[in-house]
Amino acid sequence: DAGITQSPRHKVTETGTPVTLRCHQTENHRYMYWYRQDPGHGLRLIHYSYGVKDTDKGEVSDGYSVSRSKTEDFLLTLESATSSQTSVYFCAIRDSRPTEQYFGPGTRLTVT
Amino acid sequence: TQLLEQSPQFLSIQEGENLTVYCNSSSVFSSLQWYRQEPGEGPVLLVTVVTGGEVKKLKRLTFQFGDARKDSSLHITAAQPGDTGLYLCASDPPGTASKLTFGTGTRLQVTL
Repeated sequence: DAGITQSPRHKVTETGTPVTLRCHQTENHRYMYWYRQDPGHGLRLIHYSYGVKDTDKGEVSDGYSVSRSKTEDFLLTLESATSSQTSVYFCAIRDSRPTEQYFGPGTRLTVT
Repeated sequence: TQLLEQSPQFLSIQEGENLTVYCNSSSVFSSLQWYRQEPGEGPVLLVTVVTGGEVKKLKRLTFQFGDARKDSSLHITAAQPGDTGLYLCASDPPGTASKLTFGTGTRLQVTL
């Protein structure tokens, strides 16, 4: 199994508060991704990184920012959480092959 | 944006039955991946198909890539309760290097 961990695994927060989710890998893979998964929408890409300090937006990036200061860590920040950001968040890393990705266990975020 | 349509959305069958799930697109896939996701966990890669007409087998699972590379199917023989989960197809649309688009998934439940 790919070495990917996410923290926290569960979080409940209030509307308007900042939240940071962490993804950590031990595989030294170049690419890292943040997705959210919601009923009826499947997995949707929020942001991704193709190297240290190199990031780009996905299809649902509004309200989210990311940072990658070292290869092994990719942080997702909700600057001011809203109820619409209640979701399950998955981190993924990309192997050396062009498209295969390996996923972390997920973080369940509830914004009240 | 390449859309991946999966069918059926839900499938409930008894142990021992056979089933097929489908993944279709109006665009040509460069490659196509199948993932399985169990409750509370991240998706796990099952297989990648690349060549039109390709057939891959993974124990009781048979994956087929259409000749025109616009569709794929997953056939499970003699389903078992351990096959229960969400099955997702994913592809990298042309011009979107390093990003995947996911289908909305087929939720399979296998009962005794």
